[in-house]
Amino acid sequence: DTGVSQNPRHKITKRGQNVTFRCDPISEHNRLYWYRQTLGQGPEFLTYFQNEAQLEKSRLLSDRFSAERPKGSFSTLEIQRTEQGDSAMYLCASSLVLMPGGTIYFGEGSWLTVV
Amino acid sequence: DQQVKQNSPSLSVQEGRISILNCDYTNSMFDYFLWYKKYPAEGPTFLISISSIKDKNEDGRFTVFLNKSAKHLSLHIVPSQPGDSAVYFCAAQYSGGGADGLTFGKGTHLIIQP
Repeated sequence: DTGVSQNPRHKITKRGQNVTFRCDPISEHNRLYWYRQTLGQGPEFLTYFQNEAQLEKSRLLSDRFSAERPKGSFSTLEIQRTEQGDSAMYLCASSLVLMPGGTIYFGEGSWLTVV
Repeated sequence: DQQVKQNSPSLSVQEGRISILNCDYTNSMFDYFLWYKKYPAEGPTFLISISSIKDKNEDGRFTVFLNKSAKHLSLHIVPSQPGDSAVYFCAAQYSGGGADGLTFGKGTHLIIQP
């Protein structure tokens, strides 16, 4: 098991284009999270799945953002009509159904630069 | 509204001495607290956690202390080593419902000087 895997690691896109990130969680982890981190800030929660069900979305997740986890394994995060403010590191994390203090494991992140 | 606050953006400590990183929180519903370590261009790595029913948890060189009445926790690293230089994030969790996602502070950049 190689941990949480994300790709691409880096993406530069022009404003207005769509981008998609993929996350492969640790196998057998049924919870999958997406976070966003900008410079000087801690990671901010965007959304999470339990198996294939998307159970919560942060108000940070505008309608240009959509996340899916079709078979309860890997997940994709798509950003439509990108804006410069979308430039950030997008972090995926996974865990087992959260026992109190259950550890959430992060991937290495996908850097997005919108020019 | 920052529910988890790390008021020191950076901290410089001499190698071999103790590093103390502080964290304050405002939401009394949080019942679990975690520390993550992050190197540049990498994702956060879990370090140590503590339940709200405890006041101390120790793992090797790392000890986390929790003062619930003050809504304050701290991470102690003894002795500090060069490889400890990184950004440390304090995170809090409410396991009673909702997203169970983590709420992070802004991080403290720890620099270990030789």
